[in-house]
Amino acid sequence: GAVVSQHPSRVICKSGTSVKIECRSLDFQATTMFWYRQFPKQSLMLMATSNEGSKATYEQGVEKDKFLINHASLTLSTLTVTSAHPEDSSFYICSARVPGRTGELFFGEGSRLTVL
Amino acid sequence: AQSVTQLDSHVSVSEGTPVLLRCNYSSSYSPSLFWYVQHPNKGLQLLLKYTSAATLVKGINGFEAEFKKSETSFHLTKPSAHMSDAAEYFCVVSGTGGYNKLIFGAGTRLAVHP
Repeated sequence: GAVVSQHPSRVICKSGTSVKIECRSLDFQATTMFWYRQFPKQSLMLMATSNEGSKATYEQGVEKDKFLINHASLTLSTLTVTSAHPEDSSFYICSARVPGRTGELFFGEGSRLTVL
Repeated sequence: AQSVTQLDSHVSVSEGTPVLLRCNYSSSYSPSLFWYVQHPNKGLQLLLKYTSAATLVKGINGFEAEFKKSETSFHLTKPSAHMSDAAEYFCVVSGTGGYNKLIFGAGTRLAVHP
C-alpha cells in the first residue's frame, strides 16, 4: 500500500510553453502533498506544500506564479510550470503523507523536465 | 531549527564489505529521523525511520541505523554490501511544524565495486 504515482516521468518542451505534472495517491487519501525540486547531484529542495481544497503554501524564494499547484481532490495534486525556460529544467518529485503513518512520506517516481 | 549533515558526499566499498554512511543532526527537540534511498532517475524509498522508540532501528534490505543522542548521530550501516545497494542515500530530519516538513541532507552517493 501507500503508492504515489507521478506522470509524466519525462517531458521535453519548448521554451515559453507550460507543462503540467500530476501526482496521484493510488491507494490512500492524501490531504497534504509536497513538491520538491532536485538539481543534478544535489539534494531535494521543498518547493511547496499542497493542501486539498486550499491554496498551496510556497517556500521562500519559490515563484508561485511560475509554479502553479492545484490540489483539487484527495488523490491528485498537479504542478504546472508556466512559461517554462531552460533554467526550469530539473527533476520534480512529489510526496504524500499517509494518515496514521507518523512522520513518513511516500514519494513518487519523479518527473524530469527538459526545457529546450 | 533542525538541520542534518551527511559527512561524506561519496562512499566506495567492495561487494561483501560493510557499509557506513554517516549522518549528524541538529534539533531543538526530540527529532524523527529517516534514511531514504534514491536510485538514478527514481523517486525516494524509505529505508528506515526513528521516532523515539528503540534506538537501534532495522530497515529494509539489511540496513540498520542507531540513534545516538549524546553524539547527535544517526549513522546508516549494513554488514555486507551488494551491487544493488549502489545509489544515493539521504539522511532526513523532521522539521518544525510537526511532520509536515522534512529537511534533507546533501546526500551520500554509495558506489559498490565487484
